[in-house]
This record gives sequence, structure tokens and C-alpha cells, in this order.
Amino acid sequence: DGGITQSPKYLFRKEGQNVTLSCEQNLNHDAMYWYRQDPGQGLRLIYYSQIVNDFQKGDIAEGYSVSREKKESFPLTVTSAQKNPTAFYLCASRRDPRVGDTQYFGPGTRLTVL
Amino acid sequence: DQQVKQNSPSLSVQEGRISILNCDYTNSMFDYFLWYKKYPAEGPTFLISISSIKDKNEDGRFTVFLNKSAKHLSLHIVPSQPGDSAVYFCAVSDNYGQNFVFGPGTRLSVLP
Repeated sequence: DGGITQSPKYLFRKEGQNVTLSCEQNLNHDAMYWYRQDPGQGLRLIYYSQIVNDFQKGDIAEGYSVSREKKESFPLTVTSAQKNPTAFYLCASRRDPRVGDTQYFGPGTRLTVL
Repeated sequence: DQQVKQNSPSLSVQEGRISILNCDYTNSMFDYFLWYKKYPAEGPTFLISISSIKDKNEDGRFTVFLNKSAKHLSLHIVPSQPGDSAVYFCAVSDNYGQNFVFGPGTRLSVLP
């Protein structure tokens, strides 16, 4: 089955610790995205990558880092510099960012920092 | 300043009736528009899209209308079903743009 997987579904961390969220896709999509969802604010773009070994900051990149060493994988690290990390994190992919196309989302990871 | 607005945070509709969800955008360069549906603790799923060369697109019970001059789009669900209860996000993009901009969402409750 083709799709996007995010693991784990729920994640708890202590304040001050870095944590890495996994995102894998087997859709052969070029572009991948990370969003964060907070109540009443919709989806806000953290980072995106249009091709392997390249990524760009989104609207709220501060306190986050990413890598794109493989086409299938786009992990997100939430660092201790992120002031309010507790949120629902969504990964998405898109076949080709250069043409009109939809994004496909993973199931999300809810991160709670204690 | 929000580029995409969904001014109704929530909407309640009786089963079988029409649900109308609205979305307004500010940038006339946007020319590709989508609606996503999201259940709690799940990722959004694509519902329907429309490009700026059209003013209406229909898929089963779902119809999206686009009024470019008013920078307004709407999603009609007819007839509404209890399973339609979810948060609906409007998203916009320029067709060759890199990213989508999402609205804040509208929570639809369809009452049996």
C-alpha cells in the first residue's frame, strides 16, 4: 500500500530535550512538507523540501530542523529552542511541486512536552 | 495578516440538509483552491479542488464554487450526513507555487 507514515502517534518529552519525528513516504513523491496544527490556527508550514538534499524554511521554522537525505524520508527535529513545542505535527508529500497538485498527509504525531 | 480566512469556526446542520462552508482569500494571484477534511487526531484528507479557470466543480455530494472577483470560495455538501462531521480546511496556492496556504478551519457538526 502506498502512503505516508508518521511515527509515533503520541510522543512525550521533557522540556529541554530535542526530539525527532519520523515521516516516510513510498509514493515516490518529490516534495515533502512539515506542518504544525494548533487549535484555531489551521496548518502552519514549518519546513518543506522539493528535492533530496534540499529544504527551505516555512513560516515558523525557528526551533526546528530537518534533513532530506533520501527521497522517502523527511525527519523533523524539534529542538529545545522551540518555545512552545506541544502541538499536532503533520507531514505531507506532493508528487511534483511545479504543477497544480494536491498534498497527501500522514496521520500526524501529537507531541507533548512536559 | 491572514491570507486565507474561514470566518465561521463552527457550523451545525441537520442531517439531510445542505452544509455551506465559506473561505475568503486576499491574494488575487492564487489560482488553485482545495478543500481538506480532517477528523480528530488524523491527517487531513483531500476532498475536492478547483482551478481558477472554472467557477464550479462537483464530485458526488460535494460542490466547490469559486468567485474570483470576490476572492471567495465555498463548499456545499448535499445532503449532509453525520459522517461529514469534521473540521474542513480551505487551502490555496498559485498553480506553480511551492506551497499551500491553509485557512484556520471550520468545524462542521451534522446532527442526526
